[in-house]
Amino acid sequence: DAKTTQPNSMESNEEEPVHLPCNHSTISGTDYIHWYRQLPSQGPEYVIHGLTSNVNNRMASLAIAEDRKSSTLILHRATLRDAAVYYCILLTSGTYKYIFGTGTRLKVLA
Amino acid sequence: DTGVSQNPRHKITKRGQNVTFRCDPISEHNRLYWYRQTLGQGPEFLTYFQNEAQLEKSRLLSDRFSAERPKGSFSTLEIQRTEQGDSAMYLCASSIRESRNSPLHFGNGTRLTVT
Repeated sequence: DAKTTQPNSMESNEEEPVHLPCNHSTISGTDYIHWYRQLPSQGPEYVIHGLTSNVNNRMASLAIAEDRKSSTLILHRATLRDAAVYYCILLTSGTYKYIFGTGTRLKVLA
Repeated sequence: DTGVSQNPRHKITKRGQNVTFRCDPISEHNRLYWYRQTLGQGPEFLTYFQNEAQLEKSRLLSDRFSAERPKGSFSTLEIQRTEQGDSAMYLCASSIRESRNSPLHFGNGTRLTVT
């Protein structure tokens, strides 16, 4: 299973942008990059995904490095409700098995 | 879209008892997943179904665990002869089609405590 590496924790001030990094140096050309987040006492929630190009949706933006060995989830204005664990996952060709790591715990300071 | 529903939300059982959890996926989602999550860890893959067919099981899933998805709709996860190490949150997720473009939708889980 393709592996990702994320910082254990990060802090951000409310109303400021947050950049959550993910390294995936062993990514192959057909692996999708997915991001999920998990709020306290809830199941994970889909955030965004991409293959090669940067992606935007109402929740966040995903910036993918040109060599695809890393990506960054961008929350444009962090709110207290964005405090969660954020997981970066690679979905490999030929499988639909999402393998979660330990993620990045984001703390948002008021 | 009423979301993925899991029942019960909480289950407390004594060691050695059998327990069964139910997951109702989003209507017409043909893929269904089970995960287990312990405190401080990410969700750990257990198994997944495409319609009624169980396509993959984790090697970590012992023989005491069995999952079914009769008729390709709801699914059940049974744990026989529970052990204290089975205490965890059990999460179910579904997705609409066989595509790596299709996101997972998770329920809020069943929390199992084995005493």
